[in-house]
Amino acid sequence: EVQLVQSGAEVKKPGATVKISCKVSGYTFTDYYMHWVQQAPGKGLEWLGLVDPEEGETIYAEKFQGRLTITADTSTDTAYMELSSLRSEDTAVYYCAKDANGLDYWGQGTLVTVSS
Amino acid sequence: DIQMTQSPSSLSASVGDRVTITCRASQSISSHLNWYQQKPGKAPNLLINAASTLQSGVPSRFSGSGSGTDFILTISSLQPEDFATYFCQQSYSNPPELTFGGGTKVEIK
Repeated sequence: EVQLVQSGAEVKKPGATVKISCKVSGYTFTDYYMHWVQQAPGKGLEWLGLVDPEEGETIYAEKFQGRLTITADTSTDTAYMELSSLRSEDTAVYYCAKDANGLDYWGQGTLVTVSS
Repeated sequence: DIQMTQSPSSLSASVGDRVTITCRASQSISSHLNWYQQKPGKAPNLLINAASTLQSGVPSRFSGSGSGTDFILTISSLQPEDFATYFCQQSYSNPPELTFGGGTKVEIK
């Protein structure tokens, strides 16, 4: 059974950095891109970026360039998303999702709240 | 960047109605278009990929069509469990830099 299990909710102050993990099981981690998607409260889905776990290659959405780092640890089958210089508008649920010509499996989501 | 325009942003319909949701890309994306359903508090669920391929376990009342810039998601006979928000998403580039449509909330009339 394919599973993507994310780390728990976070509360951060403006200017801080958050790092979320996404541990996968049930498939070969290095065979598929892993994407990260943001969903602000009551809003739509926004793509943050992806990592190729086999090559370590990353691509980031232009909006998040410079603040976003996505990595993959093949020794633990875990992907990470780190977002720095947090501001109130980064308050959102963050999802990891496996790409098999469509995002066919998703993590449960991690709520990040940015508040002073 | 490829922009995705989804319409309508919301609609009210009754059980048994036929529902169509459209998605337009700012440039041709061939058939690199996926549809998702999302219910409150849950992650999105992939319904259709490659514009028209129904995912395993998705009821046959869902169908997708289109290519190039214009795409349609059709629910042939709306069921109570179909009240949700639907998103389109393009993945034209390689590696895929994704863009989502704004979403369509399907509500009970």
